[in-house]
Amino acid sequence: NAGVTQTPKFQVLKTGQSMTLQCAQDMNHEYMSWYRQDPGMGLRLIHYSVGAGITDQGEVPNGYNVSRSTTEDFPLRLLSAAPSQTSVYFCASSNFGNSPLHFGNGTRLTVT
Amino acid sequence: RKEVEQDPGPFNVPEGATVAFNCTYSNSASQSFFWYRQDCRKEPKLLMSVYSSGNEDGRFTAQLNRASQYISLLIRDSKLSDSATYLCVVNPRTTDKLIFGTGTRLQVFP
Repeated sequence: NAGVTQTPKFQVLKTGQSMTLQCAQDMNHEYMSWYRQDPGMGLRLIHYSVGAGITDQGEVPNGYNVSRSTTEDFPLRLLSAAPSQTSVYFCASSNFGNSPLHFGNGTRLTVT
Repeated sequence: RKEVEQDPGPFNVPEGATVAFNCTYSNSASQSFFWYRQDCRKEPKLLMSVYSSGNEDGRFTAQLNRASQYISLLIRDSKLSDSATYLCVVNPRTTDKLIFGTGTRLQVFP
């Protein structure tokens, strides 16, 4: 009963390093998305995808890339990490229509 | 005006109390609505969907008021374990993106 799986759970990066946050879902959901959540703030959409091969920008896309080569996977790439990217990152997926989002457990990223 | 607005709280209530939160949305074409619960440093979890006719799940009741463009969440007989942040989520249907409110914090004390 995996649902949405995110790895890693924790990561520390130095400024300028790059890395990929992994997200996989086993529910055959077409819609997948990445959010970041900063202390005292709501969830902000980074990128989203409505199906394999299709991605689009959310509210705060700068500094991040995504791809969707399969229905199951939606990795988030940090190109050159900055301290402003210190945050908790959540991946979420859903069916279309009126379906709710299912979230992964989150990745806590610190950039020093 | 924000697309989805919530009172951040905190709402501090004693055990056994009834508490209600509202969430307003700006897009009158919005079609689906949800309440999520988020515990500190954890992922949001679906509490309940909100239907036009209103719906109830145990101690929790959700209502939709399309005329005034808000949804509400009522919690009866509050428990200590209800302490969390409650997020309002709206599907505006004009885009593919679900819109989250910033959340309302509830603290239930003994």
